[in-house]
Amino acid sequence: SQQGEEDPQALSIQEGENATMNCSYKTSINNLQWYRQNSGRGLVHLILIRSNEREKHSGRLRVTLDTSKKSSSLLITASRAADTASYFCATDARLGAQKLVFGQGTRLTINP
Amino acid sequence: DAEITQSPRHKITETGRQVTLACHQTWNHNNMFWYRQDLGHGLRLIHYSYGVQDTNKGEVSDGYSVSRSNTEDLPLTLESAASSQTSVYFCASSDGTGRAYEQYFGPGTRLTVT
Repeated sequence: SQQGEEDPQALSIQEGENATMNCSYKTSINNLQWYRQNSGRGLVHLILIRSNEREKHSGRLRVTLDTSKKSSSLLITASRAADTASYFCATDARLGAQKLVFGQGTRLTINP
Repeated sequence: DAEITQSPRHKITETGRQVTLACHQTWNHNNMFWYRQDLGHGLRLIHYSYGVQDTNKGEVSDGYSVSRSNTEDLPLTLESAASSQTSVYFCASSDGTGRAYEQYFGPGTRLTVT
């Protein structure tokens, strides 16, 4: 069963605009992570936010977490063509388990 | 630099054959994972291991097996390949100590079962 569900499934914006992707999940979590996957490649870890954190920044990335709504958002500011990829949220639902459940991803296309 | 590699990168096999996909990591990570990725399903966990001689079933383990005889390798075996196992397979690893949960992924193996 999928723990995380991303929204939207696909997003197309112009270069320089901001991109926002959302993730909802069903059960309590210890942390939530975002990954990027370029076409034909493996996933790359972007950022991790713990359940007791509400917001985290890394370069042009901003992640928020609302545990009361069981949701997270990933904001990419000043998008670039190189940001074109699929983005996945993943949740670690059980303390110590260290295994992740991935959503189906958002396909982001940045148009030049 | 440390890395995680998978081989082969592409494989075509026939229904009923046994297939083994290799995964090798030089991160010295305790945890290793196998996923399959299919359109409409995202990544689904097949098997995982927290250390040598430890293996656990994931969400979609039927028809697959793994063994962990050393820290670096977690081969995935399809006992009798089926067309439903046509997919892209990813291996990943993570440090099992402290609170470092992020996973490092290999480049994937595209498997076609005909």
